[in-house]
Amino acid sequence: DAGITQSPRHKVTETGTPVTLRCHQTENHRYMYWYRQDPGHGLRLIHYSYGVKDTDKGEVSDGYSVSRSKTEDFLLTLESATSSQTSVYFCAISDASREQFFGPGTRLTVL
Amino acid sequence: SQQGEEDPQALSIQEGENATMNCSYKTSINNLQWYRQNSGRGLVHLILIRSNEREKHSGRLRVTLDTSKKSSSLLITASRAADTASYFCATDDASNYQLIWGAGTKLIIKP
Repeated sequence: DAGITQSPRHKVTETGTPVTLRCHQTENHRYMYWYRQDPGHGLRLIHYSYGVKDTDKGEVSDGYSVSRSKTEDFLLTLESATSSQTSVYFCAISDASREQFFGPGTRLTVL
Repeated sequence: SQQGEEDPQALSIQEGENATMNCSYKTSINNLQWYRQNSGRGLVHLILIRSNEREKHSGRLRVTLDTSKKSSSLLITASRAADTASYFCATDDASNYQLIWGAGTKLIIKP
């Protein structure tokens, strides 16, 4: 398995609080992605990174920000969590082969 | 927006039978990929087929690609209980760093 971890694996938080999810890789892959997965919607891209400090928005970026200060870490921040952001969040990495390798996911519940 | 659309949405077959899933997409692609997701886990890459390839095999998996019809199929032969999972197709047009995901086919293998 690709060396990719996510933390925390589970989180329950309250509406209006900030939340940061961390993705860590040991593969030195250039590209990193944050997705959310919800029933009936499949995988939707939130933000992605194509290098250190190089990030761009995906399909559902509103309410989310990201940062990548080093190759191995990609952080996803919910500035002020809302109930609509309750979801399972997956981080993925890829290199020039274009195949993506996924982390185990973080289950976030916003009450 | 989702480009790939899997068909059927759900499929239930007896162990030992073959399972076929289809994926249709809308725009030109560089490659098409299939992934598997076991319940509660991250996605796992199965196979990548390039736009200039028509068929590819990997163990019990056979993938076909018809670029004229903008469609692909995934065949799993001699299914096993462990094949129970959701299967997703993803298309890569190589114009950016993203994959476009379908909503998935849920496959259940009955013992």
